[in-house]
Amino acid sequence: EPEVTQTPSHQVTQMGQEVILRCVPISNHLYFYWYRQILGQKVEFLVSFYNNEISEKSEIFDDQFSVERPDGSNFTLKIRSTKLEDSAMYFCASSGGTVQYEQYFGPGTRLTVT
Amino acid sequence: GQNIDQPTEMTATEGAIVQINCTYQTSGFNGLFWYQQHAGEAPTFLSYNVLDGLEEKGRFSSFLSRSKGYSYLLLKELQMKDSASYLCAVRDRGFKTIFGAGTRLFVKA
Repeated sequence: EPEVTQTPSHQVTQMGQEVILRCVPISNHLYFYWYRQILGQKVEFLVSFYNNEISEKSEIFDDQFSVERPDGSNFTLKIRSTKLEDSAMYFCASSGGTVQYEQYFGPGTRLTVT
Repeated sequence: GQNIDQPTEMTATEGAIVQINCTYQTSGFNGLFWYQQHAGEAPTFLSYNVLDGLEEKGRFSSFLSRSKGYSYLLLKELQMKDSASYLCAVRDRGFKTIFGAGTRLFVKA
């Protein structure tokens, strides 16, 4: 069964450093998303991406965040200058195959900012 | 504002039926989702409702009333592996999906 993959599974970085989280969505999907979940809290929408551009973003997704689909398979989230409060699990999701609304989530990248 | 409410925790017995309620107030509505999330794992899709009524999928059913801003997830023939968090989420007018805080379900023998 096709699945969304994410790398790395765990990233530790120092405050102020840039990080890039990588995702490979399901190959025939057209819509891509990033979410984050701070430990013990709810899943929060960050951004959606369709047709090579951001279709919607939340208040969390400020100028420190950017997304890119550099080739036909990868989808990346970059945080330019990490803060302690960026520590969270980051989930990539994709949708738009035969069932357009069903979002498939990747296993997540746990980001720890020290 | 955007608000999704669901109970924090529920406990039920193996083999029983449990209903997890969700109420929502969002600026737009383009469908309601239920996800299951085991501790330390990603959410997995359970159901989607965009029209009023009941959707059944094996042991899981989900109901929606748009006029009341209300949904429930019904789990039948509970198994120990159903112990998890159940997340209610609403898609607003666009692509944004707003999640509730989740209901932690404990299934006991």
